[in-house]
Amino acid sequence: DIQMTQSPSSLSASVGDRVTITCRASQSISSYLNWYQQKPGKAPKLLIYAASSLQSGVPSRFSGSGSGTDFTLTISSLQPEDFATYYCQQSYSTYSFGQGTKLEIK
Amino acid sequence: QVQLVESGGGVVQPGGSLRLSCAASGFTFSSYGMHWVRQAPGKGLEWVAFIWSDGTNKYYADSVKGRFTISRDNSKNTLYLQMNSLRPEDTAVYYCAKAEFSSGSYYFDYWGQGTLVTVSS
Repeated sequence: DIQMTQSPSSLSASVGDRVTITCRASQSISSYLNWYQQKPGKAPKLLIYAASSLQSGVPSRFSGSGSGTDFTLTISSLQPEDFATYYCQQSYSTYSFGQGTKLEIK
Repeated sequence: QVQLVESGGGVVQPGGSLRLSCAASGFTFSSYGMHWVRQAPGKGLEWVAFIWSDGTNKYYADSVKGRFTISRDNSKNTLYLQMNSLRPEDTAVYYCAKAEFSSGSYYFDYWGQGTLVTVSS
């Protein structure tokens, strides 16, 4: 099974900050990596697919990069609505998620 | 617009059974694979099962293999999850999600609102 590890597990930041979340796979997964945002009591929402493709309707301040085992999600300028938990997910071999990164207001 | 609405959750005793449903609308249901994903209270996301668009192939997480069965009725635009031999660790919100494939990656592009399953005596 492929293990996905996100860092950090939690992060405090301010509106306007640039934030980067990292996701590492236990083996190479090419670009089979997706990112989701989840707010409390809500379903996850797709942000990025195939490591760097922005889902329709998602603001351009969100971007993804990486391939192989190391990936990043970057939010260029945090907005109040971006405070949430973020998950990476691989689809190279069945499906597995990272443990999540909780982004909180500083 | 795409809508996925889960139902069937509730409280069940350990060893019991429950069937979840997911009613789909706003897209051609019979053309897409579908997933179940769960989230235990205060925990992360766990993929549970996947079914092809025509229902011919099914895949399961090791944690539910042999106890859960995913199925679909394309005439009713509905996805199901039959859960047997339930355990306390199956307690979670269960989401159905639509499968998509693009740019060489598979992903979940639409999710339902979830239904809570509680396994407790």
